[in-house]
Amino acid sequence: GAVVSQHPSRVICKSGTSVKIECRSLDFQATTMFWYRQFPKQSLMLMATSNEGSKATYEQGVEKDKFLINHASLTLSTLTVTSAHPEDSSFYICSASPPERPSYNEQFFGPGTRLTVL
Amino acid sequence: LAKTTQPISMDSYEGQEVNITCSHNNIATNDYITWYQQFPSQGPRFIIQGYKTKVTNEVASLFIPADRKSSTLSLPRVSLSDTAVYYCLVGSSNTGKLIFGQGTTLQVKP
Repeated sequence: GAVVSQHPSRVICKSGTSVKIECRSLDFQATTMFWYRQFPKQSLMLMATSNEGSKATYEQGVEKDKFLINHASLTLSTLTVTSAHPEDSSFYICSASPPERPSYNEQFFGPGTRLTVL
Repeated sequence: LAKTTQPISMDSYEGQEVNITCSHNNIATNDYITWYQQFPSQGPRFIIQGYKTKVTNEVASLFIPADRKSSTLSLPRVSLSDTAVYYCLVGSSNTGKLIFGQGTTLQVKP
């Protein structure tokens, strides 16, 4: 089946630093990937849609200058949290769909990245 | 986007059948209904998907009435390892997005 990986699985950083999270589709190409954020005991919140070769589309209320998304290839999207602060501490999850499966039908999720900002 | 409503939590015992119902009154003609399972600190995992009537796979069944305004996920003979959060989603064919609702926390007791 379709596999999506994320790296790192967890990261701890100091306030003010930037952190990059990678999302890879291992056995399929994905022109579109999605980034979600999940706070403890809460549901997943869609942050942005990552489009290969073009700018990401951000959901309302998500700062595009703070959460930089780069989708440079058909198998890799990166999320960079710039100038991270403690309130950015969260569980970040990416997802992708194979070309033959519409993204609104089924998405394959990565294992998530736990970010802790001190 | 079709909004979904499901119970916040449910309790069950090992070996019982669990049915989780989700309402999606504004579902559009081209929208599919998908259920995901999520364990703590893991990404969601696809369980089952359907458009209408009944769908069954090796882990669950999905019942969708003719009006498609609701759906019921059925988990046969649950075990302790089925304790998780279950999300009902209606995918938008217009936007390609999946929007998560609050989910149902299922607690399976011995």
